[in-house]
Amino acid sequence: DVKVTQSSRYLVKRTGEKVFLECVQDMDHENMFWYRQDPGLGLRLIYFSYDVKMKEKGDIPEGYSVSREKKERFSLILESASTNQTSMYLCASSLGQGLLFEQFFGPGTRLTVL
Amino acid sequence: SQQGEEDPQALSIQEGENATMNCSYKTSINNLQWYRQNSGRGLVHLILIRSNEREKHSGRLRVTLDTSKKSSSLLITASRAADTASYFCATDRGSNYKLTFGKGTLLTVNP
Repeated sequence: DVKVTQSSRYLVKRTGEKVFLECVQDMDHENMFWYRQDPGLGLRLIYFSYDVKMKEKGDIPEGYSVSREKKERFSLILESASTNQTSMYLCASSLGQGLLFEQFFGPGTRLTVL
Repeated sequence: SQQGEEDPQALSIQEGENATMNCSYKTSINNLQWYRQNSGRGLVHLILIRSNEREKHSGRLRVTLDTSKKSSSLLITASRAADTASYFCATDRGSNYKLTFGKGTLLTVNP
């Protein structure tokens, strides 16, 4: 079974801190994604990566950056956390290009920025 | 803006009953997927239906797609308490990589 793990289930940070959210998948998937999920807004795509060192902006990239140095690891970085970045963050991966492939999700990281 | 919109936002039924959720979308798609999310967890893929398919089954799940109406429905038959979850449709907007998720339908199955 594909396993997608995220470094923390719950995280509390202070405004202005630099925050790293880590995601690791164990099935050699090409594509990896970061979403945030907020009540009433559903899932929104922040960034995705279709290969090592490749990244593309999603729908809401402002305030975030990403890093993919190894195929299995995709990191989301909040350069200077703000209270409006309090949210559930979900990482996902998929095999190959195109949308014939399902996305496998991690358990999520609930981030609170105080 | 959201591509897929689920309806209803919330649904409460008794165990054994069928549950139907709908998804409408605005622009042409290649594929549509349904996902389930248990409370506070990640999403799990349920089923994928391609734009040239009209119906697909997987166990107690039945998905239909009507591209002329830009809508899809997910039917769960003989529901169980364990089916309690949020259900999301996701469409591709014709993109190669990106899925756009709706806001979900919260299904509660009462024992």
